[in-house]
Amino acid sequence: AQSVTQPDIHITVSEGASLELRCNYSYGATPYLFWYVQSPGQGLQLLLKYFSGDTLVQGIKGFEAEFKRSQSSFNLRKPSVHWSDAAEYFCAVGAQQAGTALIFGKGTTLSVSS
Amino acid sequence: NAGVTQTPKFQVLKTGQSMTLQCAQDMNHNSMYWYRQDPGMGLRLIYYSASEGTTDKGEVPNGYNVSRLNKREFSLRLESAAPSQTSVYFCASSARQANNSPLHFGNGTRLTVT
Repeated sequence: AQSVTQPDIHITVSEGASLELRCNYSYGATPYLFWYVQSPGQGLQLLLKYFSGDTLVQGIKGFEAEFKRSQSSFNLRKPSVHWSDAAEYFCAVGAQQAGTALIFGKGTTLSVSS
Repeated sequence: NAGVTQTPKFQVLKTGQSMTLQCAQDMNHNSMYWYRQDPGMGLRLIYYSASEGTTDKGEVPNGYNVSRLNKREFSLRLESAAPSQTSVYFCASSARQANNSPLHFGNGTRLTVT
């Protein structure tokens, strides 16, 4: 069965600084990979996804993520963080076979300092 | 375009009371899901409906029932609420029940059981 780990529970970044949020997964084959963002009091919104092909994927709001098979990772990055990026970020992993469910990580809370 | 709509937004119940959480989507999606979100636990799948007329258990189904009323609506019922069911509940939908079909989330129902 697949699993996903987000090692950092809480990260604080200065506004304008770069950001990297870590996500590691466990799965025997190449999984489907997602990053979602949740602003306070809101539901989750899809930032980006990886299914196959180019390992660097671009998402909304200036985010990107890179799939590294050798490291079983799918880290989320942004070159310059804005105060409005403060939110909780979830990595999710899905197996390719039918009848299985998406597995979410426990989330990383991002705070942005001025 | 409303997307996924959940009602109510907030609810307080006493132990043993029952209630139904409502969810409707207007995206003509085939699949719908109920998750609960607890601090430090990420999102856990309670039940899902791959298509109209079918429902299946997820990771944490005990204490809950669901009804796929039609293609648009998927309700979650707590027959006898317990304090352990205090949580934020999210409904989601996707075009099809496959892990490469991104989820669209509602804004959640915050439930407190005293």
